[in-house]
Amino acid sequence: DVKVTQSSRYLVKRTGEKVFLECVQDMDHENMFWYRQDPGLGLRLIYFSYDVKMKEKGDIPEGYSVSREKKERFSLILESASTNQTSMYLCASRQQGVTEAFFGQGTRLTVV
Amino acid sequence: AQKVTQAQTEISVVEKEDVTLDCVYETRDTTYYLFWYKQPPSGELVFLIRRNSFDEQNEISGRYSWNFQKSTSSFNFTITASQVVDSAVYFCALSEARNFNKFYFGSGTKLNVKP
Repeated sequence: DVKVTQSSRYLVKRTGEKVFLECVQDMDHENMFWYRQDPGLGLRLIYFSYDVKMKEKGDIPEGYSVSREKKERFSLILESASTNQTSMYLCASRQQGVTEAFFGQGTRLTVV
Repeated sequence: AQKVTQAQTEISVVEKEDVTLDCVYETRDTTYYLFWYKQPPSGELVFLIRRNSFDEQNEISGRYSWNFQKSTSSFNFTITASQVVDSAVYFCALSEARNFNKFYFGSGTKLNVKP
């Protein structure tokens, strides 16, 4: 079974802090994604990576950056956390091509 | 415009009732894929089904069935004889040929199954 693991289930950070959300997958998938989930808005794509060191902006990249130094790991970085970034963050991975994506358990981030 | 619309925000049923979750999509591509995911209270999205645009055959898996109709751009999901464990948020998603790397998710339907 594919395993996508996010480093934290819950995080509380202060406004202005630099925040790292980590995601690791164990199936050698080329594609990895970061989504944000908010009530009534569904899942919105923040960033996507199709290979090591390769990334592409999603629909809402402002205020975020990403890093993919190794194939199995995809990090989401909030350069200076703000209260409007309080949300559920979901990481996913997917084999190259048209296949389903596999999701991690999510990180619920609260910025105070 | 929304590419995937799940008009039902929340549905409540009593155990053993049948329930249908609606999904309407919008695309100009002739090749595309549709997906359903389940998100239980634990938070992780669980993949349920993938359908490509060339296969309109309905699918049944146990108590779950899916009705794909290109004429109405719909991909509805029915749970027969619902159970409390079916309580979750269900997401419909679309992936288009122009960019298969991108998923468009609906806003989700929260299903409450009461004992």
